[in-house]
Amino acid sequence: QKEVEQDPGPLSVPEGAIVSLNCTYSNSAFQYFMWYRQYSRKGPELLMYTYSSGNKEDGRFTAQVDKSSKYISLFIRDSQPSDSATYLCAMPKGSQGNLIFGKGTKLSVKP
Amino acid sequence: DTEVTQTPKHLVMGMTNKKSLKCEQHMGHRAMYWYKQKAKKPPELMFVYSYEKLSINESVPSRFSPECPNSSLLNLHLHALQPEDSALYLCASSQAKETAQYFGPGTRLTVL
Repeated sequence: QKEVEQDPGPLSVPEGAIVSLNCTYSNSAFQYFMWYRQYSRKGPELLMYTYSSGNKEDGRFTAQVDKSSKYISLFIRDSQPSDSATYLCAMPKGSQGNLIFGKGTKLSVKP
Repeated sequence: DTEVTQTPKHLVMGMTNKKSLKCEQHMGHRAMYWYKQKAKKPPELMFVYSYEKLSINESVPSRFSPECPNSSLLNLHLHALQPEDSALYLCASSQAKETAQYFGPGTRLTVL
């Protein structure tokens, strides 16, 4: 079993839709959770960084962590064509700094 | 300011060339990283520097040689690369090894 699982998609939605992106993980020692957005041929951009279970909101983005289920989500409200990108979940493994990534979900928001 | 800069943006080199990739951050971060990313794959960790000391080398071939001249700079020296080393090379930094990592725009490397 991979340490982090993420459905690679692709996921296509109409503009204005609510998007739900998810990852599951197997290592209960994971404490920090990140979501990155990566446009084609660019570096990943940090969107959300969470530590505890619960929700964290930033503008149109909400990150949700459920440690009991080992499940994290990123919700995008009022999705825009500019949100079209690959979204990666990531977790640092212990204190070594090794960031474990999901495979990434490719999102396309159609006008 | 959460900016990590990388130069050059693009690099084409032959298998006998020697080149270097450069990375800089001014966020006061004490951990810096090199990642390699192939098309449609997530980034893969190559090296971790913490307080300017190499702390992780993920069994990367010796044709890749990292260097951390100071806490703001990170270099990756390249020598005798293979065509399969063509990829996007990403630099990242963080305050500590287990905290959020901020990535640069990457250097797109093509080895002929």
